[in-house]
Amino acid sequence: DVKVTQSSRYLVKRTGEKVFLECVQDMDHENMFWYRQDPGLGLRLIYFSYDVKMKEKGDIPEGYSVSREKKERFSLILESASTNQTSMYLCASTPQGLGVSNQPQHFGDGTRLSIL
Amino acid sequence: AQRVTQPEKLLSVFKGAPVELKCNYSYSGSPELFWYVQYSRQRLQLLLRHISRESIKGFTADLNKGETSFHLKKPFAQEEDSAMYYCALSEYGGATNKLIFGTGTLLAVQP
Repeated sequence: DVKVTQSSRYLVKRTGEKVFLECVQDMDHENMFWYRQDPGLGLRLIYFSYDVKMKEKGDIPEGYSVSREKKERFSLILESASTNQTSMYLCASTPQGLGVSNQPQHFGDGTRLSIL
Repeated sequence: AQRVTQPEKLLSVFKGAPVELKCNYSYSGSPELFWYVQYSRQRLQLLLRHISRESIKGFTADLNKGETSFHLKKPFAQEEDSAMYYCALSEYGGATNKLIFGTGTLLAVQP
């Protein structure tokens, strides 16, 4: 069974702090994703990575960056946290598509981040 | 524009009543459609996908390309079906399996 582990379930930080959210998957998946989940807005893609050191912006990358130094780990970085980044953050992974039916995404438990 | 629309934020039904969660999409390519579910205090997980054409936990969903819809249906709702449901689409055969999610519908099944 695929295991996607996010390092923290709850995190409280202050405005202006640099914040790191960590995600690790154990299934050797090529693709990893970071979303934020907000009521009424659903899941919005922040960044995704399709290989080590490779990344692409999603729909809402402003104020965020990512790091993928190892295949199993994908980190989300809030360079200077602001109150509007208070949200639930979800990490997901999936194997590389092979030109056939898409593989489902496997999600972590989420990190509820509060910026004060 | 590529978009998934779930018009209902909340759907409240009584146990035993039929359920239909609506999903419409706008996509220029060849889409693959999914339903994901999040039960209380659990992680988001795949419920079903159109290409499998299977029933999961009594739920079915048919892709209607003419109406660009992928509504989720169950003939008799159970209390344990209460959850947040997200419709999502991906480009068929895409390498990244990137998803576009709708805004979600909270299903509340009353006893």
